[in-house]
Amino acid sequence: EPEVTQTPSHQVTQMGQEVILRCVPISNHLYFYWYRQILGQKVEFLVSFYNNEISEKSEIFDDQFSVERPDGSNFTLKIRSTKLEDSAMYFCASSEGTPEAFFGQGTRLTVV
Amino acid sequence: RKEVEQDPGPFNVPEGATVAFNCTYSNSASQSFFWYRQDCRKEPKLLMSVYSSGNEDGRFTAQLNRASQYISLLIRDSKLSDSATYLCVVTVYGQNFVFGPGTRLSVLP
Repeated sequence: EPEVTQTPSHQVTQMGQEVILRCVPISNHLYFYWYRQILGQKVEFLVSFYNNEISEKSEIFDDQFSVERPDGSNFTLKIRSTKLEDSAMYFCASSEGTPEAFFGQGTRLTVV
Repeated sequence: RKEVEQDPGPFNVPEGATVAFNCTYSNSASQSFFWYRQDCRKEPKLLMSVYSSGNEDGRFTAQLNRASQYISLLIRDSKLSDSATYLCVVTVYGQNFVFGPGTRLSVLP
């Protein structure tokens, strides 16, 4: 069964460092998303991406964040100058345009 | 008012019990509705989409009331493996998925 894959599963970084979280969406999907979930809190939308550009972003997705689809398969989230409050699970999701979205296993980001 | 609200939980029920989850949403333009389940520290997994006519998948039944902006999930004959957090999710087509805070279910032996 096709699935969304994310790497790494766990990333520990020092405050102020840059991190790149990687995702390989399901191959025929057209819509890509990043969400985050701070421990014990709800899943929050960060950004959606379609046709090689951002289609929507939340207030959380400020200049610290960027997304890229560098090739035909990968979808990345870059967080510049990480802060302690960026510690969370980051989930990538993809959709083929039908309403349902499918989530990757997540990357647990710990900023120390 | 929060976009998607759910029963605060947690729900602790014995095996075999029937349990119902409730969800309300504020955006009347919402078009698609889902229940996801999330195990501890895992990704949300699609449990079922929710249709206006209501739909059933085995022990799970979902209902949608657009007039009341209300969604429900019923689990019959609950199993230990049903223990998880159940997430109500709504979307306006082509826009992001809005998650509720989730309701945690613990099925006890």
